[in-house]
Amino acid sequence: SQTIHQWPATLVQPVGSPLSLECTVEGTSNPNLYWYRQAAGRGLQLLFYSVGIGQISSEVPQNLSASRPQDRQFILSSKKLLLSDSGFYLCAWSRSGGYNEQFFGPGTRLTVL
Amino acid sequence: AQSVTQPDIHITVSEGASLELRCNYSYGATPYLFWYVQSPGQGLQLLLKYFSGDTLVQGIKGFEAEFKRSQSSFNLRKPSVHWSDAAEYFCASGGYNKLIFGAGTRLAVHP
Repeated sequence: SQTIHQWPATLVQPVGSPLSLECTVEGTSNPNLYWYRQAAGRGLQLLFYSVGIGQISSEVPQNLSASRPQDRQFILSSKKLLLSDSGFYLCAWSRSGGYNEQFFGPGTRLTVL
Repeated sequence: AQSVTQPDIHITVSEGASLELRCNYSYGATPYLFWYVQSPGQGLQLLLKYFSGDTLVQGIKGFEAEFKRSQSSFNLRKPSVHWSDAAEYFCASGGYNKLIFGAGTRLAVHP
């Protein structure tokens, strides 16, 4: 069976510090990978998605970036965090190609102070 | 452009009462539709999905949803709500390699 991991589970960072959130998937190959953000009391905002190694599509321009160095690894980064980057970050995967359901990780709660 | 609307931001029901959460989609062809549930501080869990065929779809945790093309709706139902059903519910429509999510409906359950 497939599993998806995210770490860390919670993170408190000062404004201007760098960020690295990691997501890994087990039990599948060549998945599509996604990063979402939920601000407090808001819905899901798709940030990035990837259909393969080194292939990143950005949905919302901002000071975040994503990378996919391995088939089942997806990393969300920032060089300098802003207060507005606080939120709940969710990674998800789906089978490649077409209109498939997504499966979500447990999320990372990021607080920028 | 494809979109998903969940008209109700908050809904409160009594435990044991029936539940219906509304979802409307806009898409020209036959849509791929999903319902997810999110408990506080958790990721999203897939409740059910509709791709084609029978318009009444059964899911986990006693939930079902009915696809109505004439109304562009995919409403989620449960005949008897339990206190543990209190959560946020998201409807989504399948785009190519992406999902389009509604804004969510927060469900509160009174004892």
